[in-house]
Amino acid sequence: GQNIDQPTEMTATEGAIVQINCTYQTSGFNGLFWYQQHAGEAPTFLSYNVLDGLEEKGRFSSFLSRSKGYSYLLLKELQMKDSASYLCAALSGGYNKLIFGAGTRLAVHP
Amino acid sequence: ETGVTQSPTHLIKTRGQQVTLRCSSQSGHNTVSWYQQALGQGPQFIFQYYREEENGRGNFPPRFSGLQFPNYSSELNVNALELDDSALYLCASSLDLGGLPFTEAFFGQGTRLTVV
Repeated sequence: GQNIDQPTEMTATEGAIVQINCTYQTSGFNGLFWYQQHAGEAPTFLSYNVLDGLEEKGRFSSFLSRSKGYSYLLLKELQMKDSASYLCAALSGGYNKLIFGAGTRLAVHP
Repeated sequence: ETGVTQSPTHLIKTRGQQVTLRCSSQSGHNTVSWYQQALGQGPQFIFQYYREEENGRGNFPPRFSGLQFPNYSSELNVNALELDDSALYLCASSLDLGGLPFTEAFFGQGTRLTVV
């Protein structure tokens, strides 16, 4: 079957660092996406990993281990506006469909 | 702003009715995928359109259908609406390079459908 697992909720303090983990089991894996979604809004693209290793984009970094079926999103220097849901999605199949996890709701407090 | 636009933004329909949702893809993208997102859940893949044909389908009944037009815009049609169809409907625009995996997929702002 196809399955994406990520924690339901996390809390962190403004200015701190938080790591959101994601494990996946999919057929025809073609890469791993991370999206940010504020309540009532569309998902916003954050990162894409297809090879093992770390991709860094400013305050956000994403890591992938294909052999372990594991990824994480690292958010540094947290700001209040980072409070949102973070969606992990595996790109799967010959026609490239995204399989999403249920999302991790991150609450950043002062 | 992603350049992917959806209309309408909100819609209320009665059970049993039919609805059409629309999506304009980002310039340069040739593939549109539709997703259903229930409250508190991640988006679920409905289907994908490439070159005006359905190119893959998720676990949704045939009353969910779609179209893609020559300008790559797309429609999602849902017949015989049920209460459980109430959700945020998202379209995602991407570029298919002859079957290679895409490296970016941008979502529109979504259509919030409420079935009463």
